[in-house]
Amino acid sequence: NAGVTQTPKFRILKIGQSMTLQCAQDMNHNYMYWYRQDPGMGLKLIYYSVGAGITDKGEVPNGYNVSRSTTEDFPLRLELAAPSQTSVYFCASSYSSGDTEAFFGQGTRLTVV
Amino acid sequence: DAKTTQPPSMDCAEGRAANLPCNHSTISGNEYVYWYRQIHSQGPQYIIHGLKNNETNEMASLIITEDRKSSTLILPHATLRDTAVYYCIVRVNNNNAGNMLTFGGGTRLMVKP
Repeated sequence: NAGVTQTPKFRILKIGQSMTLQCAQDMNHNYMYWYRQDPGMGLKLIYYSVGAGITDKGEVPNGYNVSRSTTEDFPLRLELAAPSQTSVYFCASSYSSGDTEAFFGQGTRLTVV
Repeated sequence: DAKTTQPPSMDCAEGRAANLPCNHSTISGNEYVYWYRQIHSQGPQYIIHGLKNNETNEMASLIITEDRKSSTLILPHATLRDTAVYYCIVRVNNNNAGNMLTFGGGTRLMVKP
């Protein structure tokens, strides 16, 4: 199993550009999450999904959109990139419920200039 | 979810036990204590979790006080590869809103030769 795979690993965007951060998991997890991590800080939840077709906002959703058309994929969309979105983005997944652990991808480092 | 308080940084000599404290004085009866760590530039990695009993696995031990208001993560024989930021998180399992993890600032553990 590959676990949680994020692409790309690095990206530089110009202000106003758009892009999609890809996240895929092969563990048949229902729950998936997107976090961002600013330098020297902890992770903040952007969006999450409890299953295909179901998404909800986390702590910092402004400027982002998500979709969950399949169990495996949970892409994060930036429509109008702003310098404040410069961050490292982590995708994670976990089993449906219970006292289970979350598995994280290796992150996407995004710089908006 | 209850908030946690951790020291911002700690040092430990290689080969010695690393004891990382966490205060969670407002923890509820149905909230678990989770520990994750994040090695530089990587995604967070699950270490261990518990409800009220002490727990041990191949990575670490978790000691939870009887009143559950604090806990200690123990790395029995720290190595240089254990240098990382360690996050203590409390959360409810079987949460209908998803198994979300709320990250604070964590403790930056530096293992020194």
